[in-house]
Amino acid sequence: NAGVTQTPKFRILKIGQSMTLQCTQDMNHNYMYWYRQDPGMGLKLIYYSVGAGITDKGEVPNGYNVSRSTTEDFPLRLELAAPSQTSVYFCASSLPGPREGYTFGSGTRLTVV
Amino acid sequence: AQSVTQLDSQVPVFEEAPVELRCNYSSSVSVYLFWYVQYPNQGLQLLLKYLSGSTLVKGINGFEAEFNKSQTSFHLRKPSVHISDTAEYFCAVSSLVAPGGGADGLTFGKGTHLIIQP
Repeated sequence: NAGVTQTPKFRILKIGQSMTLQCTQDMNHNYMYWYRQDPGMGLKLIYYSVGAGITDKGEVPNGYNVSRSTTEDFPLRLELAAPSQTSVYFCASSLPGPREGYTFGSGTRLTVV
Repeated sequence: AQSVTQLDSQVPVFEEAPVELRCNYSSSVSVYLFWYVQYPNQGLQLLLKYLSGSTLVKGINGFEAEFNKSQTSFHLRKPSVHISDTAEYFCAVSSLVAPGGGADGLTFGKGTHLIIQP
């Protein structure tokens, strides 16, 4: 029972490069989320999805894109990396509604230089 | 709109001493409340949650929290901490009537770093 799996765990990008952060879950959760975590700032929601084919912006979506072609996968795309995107990224999933809480992946630490 | 304030960014405490991590929230509607724990280099794990009913909620690893509606607080407590409790603790709130259901419901505080001193 893997839960939420994120890859890669670490990555260094140069300014202007692109990359995709992968996230997959095996709990058949409809809802999935991408957060970024910066020191002392808590977690900020980037994008979320309520099911395959449906995505929406969170609090800090600029510079990112997402897609949701299957229930299991929710990749996050950075098109033109900027130093401001240096952060730790967490993917999470949940059942509809917040009662059960979220299951988080172990994170991707991204540095843009 | 809802918000969460964690009053302490860092709490040092000696091993086997009690600890309280403070959390206040603001919301115009009824809420669910959560505490998550993040151990070093890991993702967040659900520690406990308040949905309804008894205001004293027990979670994993000996933690408990008390919901106080009049004070809009949800403080986390443990009577005796262990070195393994060193972690970042996040309080989170979700409105029961968030427009997107659970999708845009959870708002996190900035976290409290619990430091256990031997």
